[in-house]
Amino acid sequence: DVVLTQSPLSLPVTLGQAASISCRSSRSLEKSDGNIYLSWFHQRPGQSPRRLIYEVSNRDSGVPDRFSGSGSATDFTLKINRVEAEDVGVYYCMQGTQWPYTFGQGTKLEIK
Amino acid sequence: EVHLVESGGGSVRPGGSLRLSCAASGFTFSTYWMSWLRQAPGKGLEWVANMKEDGSEEDYVDSVRGRFTISRDNAKNSLYLQMNSLRAEDTAVYYCARDSGRRTVDYWGQGTLVTVSS
Repeated sequence: DVVLTQSPLSLPVTLGQAASISCRSSRSLEKSDGNIYLSWFHQRPGQSPRRLIYEVSNRDSGVPDRFSGSGSATDFTLKINRVEAEDVGVYYCMQGTQWPYTFGQGTKLEIK
Repeated sequence: EVHLVESGGGSVRPGGSLRLSCAASGFTFSTYWMSWLRQAPGKGLEWVANMKEDGSEEDYVDSVRGRFTISRDNAKNSLYLQMNSLRAEDTAVYYCARDSGRRTVDYWGQGTLVTVSS
């Protein structure tokens, strides 16, 4: 199975500052069709996950442009500019390139 | 608006069975792959199974293959997960989710809790 390793696992951030989460894959996520199926999800306490980003850098409808995704092959990053209180929770990367689809272990963002 | 509502969770003894259901609305159910995912208490997310639009293809994570069966009824806009030979490690919130067609999911239900304990 593809293993996704996120860092850091805990991310204290000051309101208004930027935050960055890394996701590294145990193998390249580029599929034979040329696409990279790497998504990012955000889960607030007590809620279901919500997708933020798909295929590395495509933001979902309604997701603020403070959120951006980047990366290639095995190294990916989710960046949050100007962190707001509503951004707290756990962020997960997820790969859909190879079955079984797998998630990173999660990064917990909290406000300092 | 897309809505996914899971039901059927509960407490069961090891070796027992449960059948989860997911009622879908707000989209054309028969044109989407659908998935079940789970999250053990305080833990991360795990994909459990998925099924093609017409039910002709399905796949499972190794830990549930042979014990769980995913199915769907497009006439009823419903997705199911039959869980047999349940183990303590199957304890989790089970989510129904819609595949967006890009090897990821875009909508999740609120989840239903399955507890396997003696």
